[in-house]
Amino acid sequence: QITLKESGRTLVKPTETLTLTCTFSGFSLSTPGRAVGWIRQPPGKAPEWLTFIFWNNDNRYSPSLRSRLTISTDTAKSHVVLTMTNMAPVDTARYYCVHLDFWSGHGPLGASDFWGQGLLVTVSS
Amino acid sequence: DIVLTQSPLSLPVTLGQPASISCRSSQSLVDRDGNTYFNWFQQRPGRSPRRLIFKVFNRDSGVPDRFIGSGSGTAFTLTISGVEADDVAVYYCMQGTSWPFTFGQGTKLEI
Repeated sequence: QITLKESGRTLVKPTETLTLTCTFSGFSLSTPGRAVGWIRQPPGKAPEWLTFIFWNNDNRYSPSLRSRLTISTDTAKSHVVLTMTNMAPVDTARYYCVHLDFWSGHGPLGASDFWGQGLLVTVSS
Repeated sequence: DIVLTQSPLSLPVTLGQPASISCRSSQSLVDRDGNTYFNWFQQRPGRSPRRLIFKVFNRDSGVPDRFIGSGSGTAFTLTISGVEADDVAVYYCMQGTSWPFTFGQGTKLEI
């Protein structure tokens, strides 16, 4: 069974850098076609895709946030880390990590969608 | 970015009656491989979104057959053939054809 869980600070100040970690199990990020992505959802609003990292370390960033985002994985590929610089109150949202499988034929989320429970990050001084 | 526009944004329904949500895309969602990577999600209060439909009309495992996806190109519809109390949620459309993937604004289904 695939599981994902987000961790990190839940309260950051304006201008600070947010660092979130996605710890996952049930699949290998070394398997071709697999990826891990980040989606955020401000309270009461629609989700927004931020970024994802492929099995081969290639990645994609939302064009509107590209300058502020970095996604990476550790050498063992057991965690995926998201950093977002220069945080502002408008970045207050629940941040989710998700499993992706581009080679399943079902679309980017694969044969079944797997999401973490999400981490509510508040940006406030 | 591809913009997805849902309507209505709020949908009052009567139990047992059908309900439909529309999602229109700013450009065709047909991929180079011929597939249309269009999805519907359900989000209950306090929960992560859950995919109901993938590639326009395919139901995910465990999704009741009262949820029906249809459409093509730029116009898509989610129909609930007979609304049950358990269906109270916000429904989002999402495209996975072109990066950045995008969601619609959401439709709140209310009994």
